[in-house]
Amino acid sequence: QVQLQESGPGLVKPSGTLSLTCAVSGGSISSNSWWSWVRQPPGKGLEWIGEIYHGGSTSYNPSLKSRVTISVDKSKNQFYLKLNSVTAADTAVYYCARGITRSGTNWFDPWGQGTLVTVSS
Amino acid sequence: DIQMTQSPSSLSASVGDRVTITCRASQSISSYLNWYQQKPGKAPKIMIYAASTLQSGVPSRFSGSGSGTDFTLTISSLQPEDFATYYCQQSYSIPQWTFGQGTKVEIK
Repeated sequence: QVQLQESGPGLVKPSGTLSLTCAVSGGSISSNSWWSWVRQPPGKGLEWIGEIYHGGSTSYNPSLKSRVTISVDKSKNQFYLKLNSVTAADTAVYYCARGITRSGTNWFDPWGQGTLVTVSS
Repeated sequence: DIQMTQSPSSLSASVGDRVTITCRASQSISSYLNWYQQKPGKAPKIMIYAASTLQSGVPSRFSGSGSGTDFTLTISSLQPEDFATYYCQQSYSIPQWTFGQGTKVEIK
C-alpha cells in the first residue's frame, strides 16, 4: 500500500525558504493520482497548499500562490514543497497526501505523518 | 472560493451516545463532500467520501448524509476510539479544495 513520508528542516528563519520533501513508497508517483501539500497551524484547522500531477502540472491555493512552488522527481518517487518569504504565520505541521479520483469524486488518502516546521529566528 | 462551516466547534459526549456534526457549504457542492477523522498528533484519515460512502474499514456506526449545501456526519453509538476532531472537505471546486474548521469530540 502507498505510504508517504515528509522530511526537511524543522526550523526556518523569517524571510527564508521552507523546503520539504515527500517520499512515496509502495506505489508509483506516476500513477493516476495527484500529490498534495496540506498544512495545519498549531491548534488550528487544515489548509490546502497546492498539488502536482505526475506530468508536472500544478495548482496552488490563491492565498499562497505567489510564494509556493511544488515540483516532482519521478526518478526518485518524490515530490517537493518550497515556500518562500516565510513568517511566523507559516509555522505549522505540513502534510503531504495523495489525491484520489474514484467514482467521479476526489479525496485525500493516504497522508504522511506530518512534519512540524517552526519559523523563528 | 467555497467556504465550509462546521457546527458545533466542539462537543462533549459519553460512550454510547449518538453524535451528529453538521457541515455547511457557502454554495451548492452537490454530494462532493468528504469527512476526515484526526486524532492528536496524527494525520487525518478519510472516513466518508461522496457525502455518504463509507471508506473501506470504517465502522458502520459512522454515516454521512446530505447534498447541496448541508451535510451531516453521524456516529450512532460513540466508542472510546472515536474521540477525535472531525473535518469536512469539499471536493466540488477542482482543484481548490477547502476544509471546515473542525469539530472536536471530547469525553463527557
